[in-house]
Amino acid sequence: GQNIDQPTEMTATEGAIVQINCTYQTSGFNGLFWYQQHAGEAPTFLSYNVLDGLEEKGRFSSFLSRSKGYSYLLLKELQMKDSASYLCAVRDQDSNYQLIWGAGTKLIIKP
Amino acid sequence: EAGVAQSPRYKIIEKRQSVAFWCNPISGHATLYWYQQILGQGPKLLIQFQNNGVVDDSQLPKDRFSAERLKGVDSTLKIQPAKLEDSAVYLCASSYTWGVQISTDTQYFGPGTRLTVL
Repeated sequence: GQNIDQPTEMTATEGAIVQINCTYQTSGFNGLFWYQQHAGEAPTFLSYNVLDGLEEKGRFSSFLSRSKGYSYLLLKELQMKDSASYLCAVRDQDSNYQLIWGAGTKLIIKP
Repeated sequence: EAGVAQSPRYKIIEKRQSVAFWCNPISGHATLYWYQQILGQGPKLLIQFQNNGVVDDSQLPKDRFSAERLKGVDSTLKIQPAKLEDSAVYLCASSYTWGVQISTDTQYFGPGTRLTVL
C-alpha cells in the first residue's frame, strides 16, 4: 500500500537548525516534493528530489534515500516566519503519477 | 508570471445548498488539479485535468461533486447538494506537464477557497 509518515509537530528555536523527516512506502516512486504551508494559505513549493542525495537551496536543503524510503528537509538559521506546516509528497507512477501526501509537520519556532 | 487564481476565497452555505468554485491556472499549464484539504491533513486529489480531458477522478464523489474545464484553461468545481463533511479548503493547482520525471511536473497552488457548511 501507499503510506507517508511525518512527525505531527516539532518545536525549534529561532536561529537554530531543524530536520523534518519523512518516510514513505509506495510501489512506483517517481520523485519526492516538499511544500511549505502557512496557516490559512496554500502550499508553496520548496524542493524536489528524484535522485539520492542532498539538494541545497539557500537556508533549505532536502535529502533523499530511495533505498530506505526516506527523506528529510533541513532548515538552517531558523526565522520566525518559518513557522508553518511542511508537507512531504511522493509521486507514484503506479497511481497515475499522482502525489501521495503526508499529513504535514507543524513547525513552531520560539524566540 | 501570475499565479493560480481562485475565487471566492471564503464561502459559507447551509447543508443541501449548492456552491461553485472557479480556478484560472498559470498561463501555459496544461494540467489542472482540484484538491480538498481538511484541517490537519494533506491535500486529497478530487480530479485532474490534462487540457480539457479528465485524467483521474477516482476520488471525486460523483453523486454530489462535478467539475469541468471546457476550453482547457479555466475550471469550475461544483458541489450540489453540500453536506456538513464538505467543510474544507478547496485548492486548485496547475503544472506545466504531467507524467514525466522532470521538475516541470511541479504543482503550483492557488490561495484556496475555504468552505464552511452549516
